[in-house]
Amino acid sequence: GEDVEQSLFLSVREGDSSVINCTYTDSSSTYLYWYKQEPGAGLQLLTYIFSNMDMKQDQRLTVLLNKKDKHLSLRIADTQTGDSAIYFCAERSQTGANNLFFGTGTRLTVIP
Amino acid sequence: ETGVTQSPTHLIKTRGQQVTLRCSSQSGHNTVSWYQQALGQGPQFIFQYYREEENGRGNFPPRFSGLQFPNYSSELNVNALELDDSALYLCASWRGGSANYGYTFGSGTRLTVV
Repeated sequence: GEDVEQSLFLSVREGDSSVINCTYTDSSSTYLYWYKQEPGAGLQLLTYIFSNMDMKQDQRLTVLLNKKDKHLSLRIADTQTGDSAIYFCAERSQTGANNLFFGTGTRLTVIP
Repeated sequence: ETGVTQSPTHLIKTRGQQVTLRCSSQSGHNTVSWYQQALGQGPQFIFQYYREEENGRGNFPPRFSGLQFPNYSSELNVNALELDDSALYLCASWRGGSANYGYTFGSGTRLTVV
C-alpha cells in the first residue's frame, strides 16, 4: 500500500529558506500535496503538483518533484515566524475513493 | 463561498458510548471524506461518501459508520467508543468526478474518550 515518509523536525532562522522533504511509494500517484497545520487547527492546502511536472512555484513556495526517486520537496523562501507549523505531504490514491495518504508531518520551527 | 464546517469543535465521551460528528461541505462540493488524526500522527482515511453512497473505506472497523445527506452534508458515527478513538476528526470535501485537484478540510472535531 501507499506509504509517505517525512522527517519529523526542522528548525530554521527567520529569513532563511526552509526545505521539507518527503518520499512516497505509489509511482502511479497523479497529484501530490502539501498541507499546513497550525496548532489546534485543521489542514490548509498550501500547494499541489501534478505528476507530469518537475517543479511548481507559487510566491514563496517552490515544489520539486523527482518521480524517479519518488521524492517531493517543499521550499519556503524567506521563512517567517508565521510559517511555524506542521507540514504534511500527501499523495492521492489512484484507486477506490482517490483518498489522500499523509505522511506523519514535519514540525517546522522558525527561530526569530 | 463557505468552507467546510464541523461540529462540535470539542467533546468528551466515556468509553462504550456512541458519538455523532457533523460536517457541512464546501458549496459546490459533492464528495465528503473523513479522516482520523491521532496525536502526533498524520491523518488517516476513514471513509468517503459521494452522492449519498459510501465509495471508499480505509482500515477502520464497522463501528465507524457514516451518512451523507442530499445537501452533501455528512455525519460520522462511532459506536462502542474505545480510548484509542481519542483523536482529531477531520472532514474534507471536494467536487468528485472532476479534475478538481484539492480537498478542503474543516477545522476538525477533537474527541476525547475517557
